[in-house]
Amino acid sequence: DTGVSQDPRHKITKRGQNVTFRCDPISEHNRLYWYRQTLGQGPEFLTYFQNEAQLEKSRLLSNRFSAERPKGSFSTLEIQRTEQGDSAMYLCASSVRGLREQFFGPGTRLTVL
Amino acid sequence: AQSVTQLGSHVSVSEGALVLLRCNYSSSVPPYLFWYVQYPNQGLQLLLKYTSAATLVKGINGFEAEFKKSETSFHLTKPSAHMSDAAEYFCAVTHNAGGTSYGKLTFGQGTILTVHP
Repeated sequence: DTGVSQDPRHKITKRGQNVTFRCDPISEHNRLYWYRQTLGQGPEFLTYFQNEAQLEKSRLLSNRFSAERPKGSFSTLEIQRTEQGDSAMYLCASSVRGLREQFFGPGTRLTVL
Repeated sequence: AQSVTQLGSHVSVSEGALVLLRCNYSSSVPPYLFWYVQYPNQGLQLLLKYTSAATLVKGINGFEAEFKKSETSFHLTKPSAHMSDAAEYFCAVTHNAGGTSYGKLTFGQGTILTVHP
């Protein structure tokens, strides 16, 4: 399978716990995006990487959120001290520089109890 | 700034009927426009894209969309609905991936398509 993969697919956690999600983009794609999708809404942009550099962060990304992309390959998104409002689907997408279409992974659904 | 408005959060059609999902965009620069489909508990799959070439764009599964600059619209159509088309559809916009946009997508709120037998 050469598509975008995300792990885990589902995560249930208690409020106040830390969680980390992983995204593996399509291998030759140097651009990687994270989006958050809440129930009944379209995805909202969180952050963007070009290779290993994080070039943009949305105001939605509070200081409890951190994302990394070491060596420009896979990426991780960590949420510290989770809150119930963090419950959402977290989507990762990747693209090739110069093209605009993004290929999405299956998402990680987070439920904070 | 860019934005997308999808008119109608729910659309219901009969199998074999025309599908029309509406999308209007706002962008201060020439846009790139996309339609994605999402099945329950899955990620988004690209249906088609407009990137300043032909204004009538054909996509997968028999869908097509027409870019109308004067109306700032990019409506999605399919001549004959199939049961397997039932899903949620998202229109999205981005623009020049240089500057400060980095190609990030701005999505509409989605339209749930129901197909009745």
